Amino acid sequence: AQKVTQAQTEISVVEKEDVTLDCVYETRDTTYYLFWYKQPPSGELVFLIRRNSFDEQNEISGRYSWNFQKSTSSFNFTITASQVVDSAVYFCALSPNTNAGKSTFGDGTTLTVKP
Amino acid sequence: DAGVIQSPRHEVTEMGQEVTLRCKPISGHNSLFWYRQTMMRGLELLIYFNNNVPIDDSGMPEDRFSAKMPNASFSTLKIQPSEPRDSAVYFCASSALAGGQTQYFGPGTRLLVL
Repeated sequence: AQKVTQAQTEISVVEKEDVTLDCVYETRDTTYYLFWYKQPPSGELVFLIRRNSFDEQNEISGRYSWNFQKSTSSFNFTITASQVVDSAVYFCALSPNTNAGKSTFGDGTTLTVKP
Repeated sequence: DAGVIQSPRHEVTEMGQEVTLRCKPISGHNSLFWYRQTMMRGLELLIYFNNNVPIDDSGMPEDRFSAKMPNASFSTLKIQPSEPRDSAVYFCASSALAGGQTQYFGPGTRLLVL
């Protein structure tokens, strides 16, 4: 069985602060994908990033960066210089390489960025 | 290219009525997923299809729920009869088998059963 844990239920920061959202996962699969999705107040689920278990390189996209560490089964997400528009619920998800139907989503972290 | 399309966006109905939610996946995607999101239970996978064939419906809460995918560009989720506890946001998502299992979500249908 696989599991995704987002221990931080809610985080509140002030604009321009950096914030890291934690994601820890469990799986018996040797190959898998990890994802982050954003759900803003408007309600849609927006895909942010996919990381293959083969690739432990960190990734940066603008103010967003992701740190994948297989040794600790973590896939953390950092927002640098947060903005009010970053306020949303962020979901981490895990999927076996061969079966998206077995995807597991974490419970989400609600990020509030105050002006 | 258009994303996943869902209709209606909002639905208010009375207990006992039939509700049909519709989804058009992204063109070329092979897999389609129906999820339900509530405050209490979070995001739950109800059923998913590969190449129009239902693969796993173990998440469907009970016989009142049914889903079909008659072709590659259309799917429905039906609740009959509806109950107040079915009130939730229902998301449809699609993915391409060659796309690294990335699921792209529709805007959701917000269902309220009175």
